[in-house]
Amino acid sequence: DAGVTQSPTHLIKTRGQQVTLRCSPKSGHDTVSWYQQALGQGPQFIFQYYEEEERQRGNFPDRFSGHQFPNYSSELNVNALLLGDSALYLCASSGGQPFPYEQYFGPGTRLTVT
Amino acid sequence: DAKTTQPNSMESNEEEPVHLPCNHSTISGTDYIHWYRQLPSQGPEYVIHGLTSNVNNRMASLAIAEDRKSSTLILHRATLRDAAVYYCILRDTSYGKLTFGQGTILTVHP
Repeated sequence: DAGVTQSPTHLIKTRGQQVTLRCSPKSGHDTVSWYQQALGQGPQFIFQYYEEEERQRGNFPDRFSGHQFPNYSSELNVNALLLGDSALYLCASSGGQPFPYEQYFGPGTRLTVT
Repeated sequence: DAKTTQPNSMESNEEEPVHLPCNHSTISGTDYIHWYRQLPSQGPEYVIHGLTSNVNNRMASLAIAEDRKSSTLILHRATLRDAAVYYCILRDTSYGKLTFGQGTILTVHP
């Protein structure tokens, strides 16, 4: 059983560009959450998707948007990239049995903005 | 969000027990206490969670103070693979966000 997968692994973008990150949840999970982790810091919650709707959102600007597809996979889009957006972006899925509340994290996408 | 306080770092020797403390004096009655850990170059992974009673699973034990203002994650026999950042998190809903702090960096010596 594959766990949470994310693509790409690494990405380099230029300031002002737009980026799309992808996440496939663990089999049987219907909820996807996205986190941003700056170097040396704990992950910060961006938003959570359930039933293709944004259910909860953290303190991130509207430049950060997302989508969840009918197969529960998800995308994170960031527009007008800033140098400060350089970070590890983590996707976590949850909702499966027998532990529906645990969040299972992927390995992350390392985004570098130059 | 209710806040947690953890030591920045702790050290242990392999095969010895490790007690990782967490203070959460502003915890509300409905907050669950969760522990996650993050191994180097990996995403965080769930360790254990509890509400009021002590909890055990295959990875660790969670001891919760009677007033719930503090808790301790117990690794019974540390291995080199347990070297990680350990996060103590309060969660107010079953599906809600995880609010990570700085965590405790655990170093395990052979």
